[in-house]
Amino acid sequence: EPEVTQTPSHQVTQMGQEVILRCVPISNHLYFYWYRQILGQKVEFLVSFYNNEISEKSEIFDDQFSVERPDGSNFTLKIRSTKLEDSAMYFCASIERGGTGELFFGEGSRLTVL
Amino acid sequence: KNEVEQSPQNLTAQEGEFITINCSYSVGISALHWLQQHPGGGIVSLFMLSSGKKKHGRLIATINIQEKHSSLHITASHPRDSAVYICAVRVQKLVFGQGTRLTINP
Repeated sequence: EPEVTQTPSHQVTQMGQEVILRCVPISNHLYFYWYRQILGQKVEFLVSFYNNEISEKSEIFDDQFSVERPDGSNFTLKIRSTKLEDSAMYFCASIERGGTGELFFGEGSRLTVL
Repeated sequence: KNEVEQSPQNLTAQEGEFITINCSYSVGISALHWLQQHPGGGIVSLFMLSSGKKKHGRLIATINIQEKHSSLHITASHPRDSAVYICAVRVQKLVFGQGTRLTINP
């Protein structure tokens, strides 16, 4: 069964470092999303991406985040100058072209900022 | 003000019991998702609803658009159903509830 793949599964970084999280969405999917879940809190939307452009972003997105689809398959989330409070699970998700609207999530990337 | 409210926050039941988790929302939506988050953190989509009712195995999801309310039911619950169940509504972006932690004891 096709799946969304995220790497790394866990990354530990020092405060102030840049981090890139990678996602390979399911191949015929067109809509891509990044979400974040700080430990003990609810999942929050970061950004949606369609047709190689950001279609919507959260209020916090521009402060520290950027997204790219560098090669037509990978979908990356870059976190600039990480802070302690960026420690969280980051989930990538996608929706297929012309489908039911069902979201397919990756397993998540756990980021720990020290 | 939370746009999505789930109840209960925590639910413990015995194997075989009928489970209901509720979700209320305050805004107009285009769709509502029920998600399951495993203890390891991974998220799986269970249902996407825009009206009526859907059933998949022992899981049933209903939505009442006028009342801005949805319910997720689990029949004949089993310990493997233990997880966090999350309601999320689509208002352009996806807005998530805080989740309901379900524990089914054998």
